[in-house]
Amino acid sequence: SAVISQKPSRDICQRGTSLTIQCQVDSQVTMMFWYRQQPGQSLTLIATANQGSEATYESGFVIDKFPISRPNLTFSTLTVSNMSPEDSSIYLCSAQRGSQETQYFGPGTRLLVL
Amino acid sequence: AQKITQTQPGMFVQEKEAVTLDCTYDTSDPSYGLFWYKQPSSGEMIFLIYQGSYDQQNATEGRYSLNFQKARKSANLVISASQLGDSAMYFCAMREGPNFGNEKLTFGTGTRLTIIP
Repeated sequence: SAVISQKPSRDICQRGTSLTIQCQVDSQVTMMFWYRQQPGQSLTLIATANQGSEATYESGFVIDKFPISRPNLTFSTLTVSNMSPEDSSIYLCSAQRGSQETQYFGPGTRLLVL
Repeated sequence: AQKITQTQPGMFVQEKEAVTLDCTYDTSDPSYGLFWYKQPSSGEMIFLIYQGSYDQQNATEGRYSLNFQKARKSANLVISASQLGDSAMYFCAMREGPNFGNEKLTFGTGTRLTIIP
């Protein structure tokens, strides 16, 4: 398994500002993913982040709103830009060591936008 | 159409009883994997068990087992001898492929399990 940490664990932000969430894995992984979980809802994939290539965004998510970096095989960041109250969610990072392996999740970042 | 369907929004179970959480899936890909995750109130997603579409036997991990019925496209999670710490949201998820570089999970809506002392 992989041990994944996220920073910050929670934050309260003002609308119009941006927040960058960091995800650190304790070992090298091929694939990293960012999910959003709105209050009382299931998880929705925002994008897949593979090292050395641009992130692949799912329908309804755009790079200008959710820029992602993946500078190496153990680290990724997600920025939530120009935030509105609708961005209040839990943001979860996950990692998968290789193809067809289990995806493990970080503890999540609870974001509240006022 | 929903790819993963969990029809039980909430369940209440007496401590020490067994519980079955339902999950049905929809895919035309012959190669896929099914996962169950537990999400306590703290918010973290904890991996419980995995079943591959070509696996001949049902997966087991301690008190967790997966009742895989391929023809019916169901992958129910069975928790034996439930404990108070099992109270959480449970999500069924599917990965289609292999699709190297983009092996995303599709999640169901979840079941909130409450264990009653």
